[in-house]
Amino acid sequence: GAVVSQHPSWVICKSGTSVKIECRSLDFQATTMFWYRQFPKQSLMLMATSNEGSKATYEQGVEKDKFLINHASLTLSTLTVTSAHPEDSSFYICSARHPGLAGVETQYFGPGTRLLVL
Amino acid sequence: GENVEQHPSTLSVQEGDSAVIKCTYSDSASNYFPWYKQELGKGPQLIIDIRSNVGEKKDQRIAVTLNKTAKHFSLHITETQPEDSAVYFCAAAQGAQKLVFGQGTRLTINP
Repeated sequence: GAVVSQHPSWVICKSGTSVKIECRSLDFQATTMFWYRQFPKQSLMLMATSNEGSKATYEQGVEKDKFLINHASLTLSTLTVTSAHPEDSSFYICSARHPGLAGVETQYFGPGTRLLVL
Repeated sequence: GENVEQHPSTLSVQEGDSAVIKCTYSDSASNYFPWYKQELGKGPQLIIDIRSNVGEKKDQRIAVTLNKTAKHFSLHITETQPEDSAVYFCAAAQGAQKLVFGQGTRLTINP
């Protein structure tokens, strides 16, 4: 099956620092990846859509200068949380769109990255 | 835009019994309906999906039904096992558009 990895799986950082999270599609090429944020006991909140070779599309209310997204290759997208603050602490999950058979696309998720900002 | 409602928010069943989770959607143009299982501290795992050209799909103990007229779809898990305990999310999308998720259902299987 389609495998999506994330690194790191968890990170603790000091307030004011920047943190980079990587999302990789291991066995398929993904022109589109998505970044989600999930608070405890809540659903997934889409932050942005990452398209290979072009600028990311951010959802309403998500600061693009705060959450920098780079999709430099067909297998890698990165999310950088700049000048992190305690309120940025959350579970960040990426997903990648698998082209599927006969053009039937399916979205597969990574294992998530837990960020704690002190 | 699309809105997905999921019920119940919590569900507890005895091991071996069946569990049913229901979702409704608002946009009649949506044509793709996946279900994800999320275990504690992990990312969502796709367990089954259905597209609007079929009304039912089954994979071993898991089945999904779709009623396009009523705009609702359901997840059915039969012969539940303790390892089925998790949070389940339904979602809806139109073609290659972004997924809109339901609020999630916390399923607990009691031994």
